Amino acid sequence: AQSVTQPDIHITVSEGASLELRCNYSYGATPYLFWYVQSPGQGLQLLLKYFSGDTLVQGIKGFEAEFKRSQSSFNLRKPSVHWSDAAEYFCAVGASGGSYIPTFGRGTSLIVHP
Amino acid sequence: EPEVTQTPSHQVTQMGQEVILRCVPISNHLYFYWYRQILGQKVEFLVSFYNNEISEKSEIFDDQFSVERPDGSNFTLKIRSTKLEDSAMYFCASSESWPNYGYTFGSGTRLTVV
Repeated sequence: AQSVTQPDIHITVSEGASLELRCNYSYGATPYLFWYVQSPGQGLQLLLKYFSGDTLVQGIKGFEAEFKRSQSSFNLRKPSVHWSDAAEYFCAVGASGGSYIPTFGRGTSLIVHP
Repeated sequence: EPEVTQTPSHQVTQMGQEVILRCVPISNHLYFYWYRQILGQKVEFLVSFYNNEISEKSEIFDDQFSVERPDGSNFTLKIRSTKLEDSAMYFCASSESWPNYGYTFGSGTRLTVV
C-alpha cells in the first residue's frame, strides 16, 4: 500500500521569502502525486499533479513541484511567498497499478510573517 | 467555477444519534467520495461511489456508515450510531471521470459528537 510523509507539521516564512514543503512517498511503482491546499474554512483545492513526463510540474498560484524518483520525494516550492499563501498544504499519492484513491499526508501548516 | 457544496458546515450531535451529512457534487461529475480528517491527523479516505454503488471503501467505513445518492444531485453520508471518535471534519469530493485527474473537494462538515 502506498503512504506519504510530510515531515514538517509547521513551516514559518517571511513574506517574499522562498518556500519548500517536503513530501516523501512510499510506493513500489510509478505513483500519481498531488498537492492540495486548504485555506481556513475552505475545502481542499488542487494545486498541481504529476502523472508522468516532465518531473517539474507547474501549478496554480505560482507553485511548482519536482518529482525525484531516486529520493521518493515530491517537494512543493514557491519562489516568493505571499501572505495569502498561509494555509494547510497536503501531499497525496495515488497508486498507478491498482487503486487510484489518493492517500494523503498529515499536512503542513504554512505561517507567513509580514 | 463549479463547486462541491456541503451542508451543514458544522453539526453537533449526541453520542448514539444518527447523522446525515449532505453533499451536492459538481453536476457533470460521475465519481463521488467521502474523506474525513480527525483534528490534527491525516485526511483519510472513507468511500468512493460510482454508478449508484460503492466502488471502494476503507477499513474505517464499517457497518455504521452508509452512502446514498437519493436523487440526481445529492450524495449523503449517514452515520448510524455516532461515537465520540467520529468527531472529525468530513469532506465530500467529486471527479469528472477516472479519479486520477484530481478531485474537487467541498469545504467540509465539522461533526462534533458529545
